[in-house]
Amino acid sequence: EPEVTQTPSHQVTQMGQEVILRCVPISNHLYFYWYRQILGQKVEFLVSFYNNEISEKSEIFDDQFSVERPDGSNFTLKIRSTKLEDSAMYFCASSETSGRGKNIQYFGAGTRLSVL
Amino acid sequence: GNSVTQMEGPVTLSEEAFLTINCTYTATGYPSLFWYVQYPGEGLQLLLKATKADDKGSNKGFEATYRKETTSFHLEKGSVQVSDSAVYFCALTSNSGYSTLTFGKGTMLLVSP
Repeated sequence: EPEVTQTPSHQVTQMGQEVILRCVPISNHLYFYWYRQILGQKVEFLVSFYNNEISEKSEIFDDQFSVERPDGSNFTLKIRSTKLEDSAMYFCASSETSGRGKNIQYFGAGTRLSVL
Repeated sequence: GNSVTQMEGPVTLSEEAFLTINCTYTATGYPSLFWYVQYPGEGLQLLLKATKADDKGSNKGFEATYRKETTSFHLEKGSVQVSDSAVYFCALTSNSGYSTLTFGKGTMLLVSP
């Protein structure tokens, strides 16, 4: 069964460093998403991406964050200068469509980001 | 805005016990409702969904009914197994825009033999 793949599974970085989290969505999917879950809190939406541009973003997704689809298979989340509060589990998801009732999002296993 | 509230965990049950995990929501219009499950070390997997009032989603013995009058989508299973131990997330998407998911905090279920 097709799956969303995320790498690395765990990333440790120093505060102020840049990190890139990588995702390979399901191959025929057109819509891509990033979510995060701070330990003990809710899974929160960050950004959605369609047709090579951001389609929607939350207030969490500030100028420190960016997303890119550098080739036909990868979808990346970059955090330019990490802060302690960026420590969280980051989930990538993809879906075939965005329509009501048809938008089934498939998730990766997540990348745990630890900022020291 | 949209929000989802789930019962706090962990929920600890013996095998073959009846399971209920409560979920209530706040949303404008008519959202679609979902239950996702996360097994240890894995990603979020869609368990079931319902897209309109009174719909019942079901999968792997789990069921949930979309109750608009009580704004609820409680997850139930008649007889849990050890293999059902996981974290369960209730979520919704609005009926407009790009259908981003709004999640609850998740409820951990621990089933002992």
